[in-house]
Amino acid sequence: NAGVMQNPRHLVRRRGQEARLRCSPMKGHSHVYWYRQLPEEGLKFMVYLQKENIIDESGMPKERFSAEFPKEGPSILRIQQVVRGDSAAYFCASSPALQERAFFGQGTRLTVV
Amino acid sequence: KNEVEQSPQNLTAQEGEFITINCSYSVGISALHWLQQHPGGGIVSLFMLSSGKKKHGRLIATINIQEKHSSLHITASHPRDSAVYICAVGPSGGGADGLTFGKGTHLIIQP
Repeated sequence: NAGVMQNPRHLVRRRGQEARLRCSPMKGHSHVYWYRQLPEEGLKFMVYLQKENIIDESGMPKERFSAEFPKEGPSILRIQQVVRGDSAAYFCASSPALQERAFFGQGTRLTVV
Repeated sequence: KNEVEQSPQNLTAQEGEFITINCSYSVGISALHWLQQHPGGGIVSLFMLSSGKKKHGRLIATINIQEKHSSLHITASHPRDSAVYICAVGPSGGGADGLTFGKGTHLIIQP
C-alpha cells in the first residue's frame, strides 16, 4: 500500500507562470488536506477536500489559488500567476475519514524565480 | 484561534538520553498530532491522540486535556532521531482539517 504520493518533488516556475501540484492519497482515503510551509515558518492549513467537494478552504489565499479533488485522479493544487512569495513547501495529507489519523506526502518544493 | 506553543525550540542531546518535548495549546481540541520532519523535508505522522497516552517503539506521547498540554518522549535517543518534531492541534469536531501547528522543536542527537 503506497503512501501519499506528491509530484513533482521540486518545481521551478518563473513569475507569472502557473504551478500545478499533484497529490495521490493513500488507497482507500477519500479525505485530502493541503498545507503550506513557508521558509522559516511553520506549517499552515490551506484546504480540505473530499472527492469532488471542497469542505474547508479557510486557509487558502482568495486569489490565484485553487484546489480540486476529482472523482478520478489525484488532487490538484493550482497556483496561477505565481509570485516570489509563493515559494514554499506544499504538503498534502490524506485520511480515510475526517477524524482518522492523517498521513503526509513528501511535499512539493516550489521555487519561483 | 488556537495558539500552539512548543518547547524547547532547539534541543541538542547525547545519544542514549531521555528526551522530552512539550506542547501547550490555548483552546479545547478534538485531537493532537505529533509529526516528525526530517532534514529531507518529508513529514511523518507519529501520533494522533485525544486522551491518555500512546506508545510506539521508543516514542511515547501523552496528553492532559484539562491542562491543555502534551509531551512527546523519546527513550534511548539515537542520532537517527534528529529531526524537527511538530505538534499540531485540531479544532473540536474536526480531524486533520483546520490543524494549527506549532513552530517545531529542532532536535539533534549527537553520537
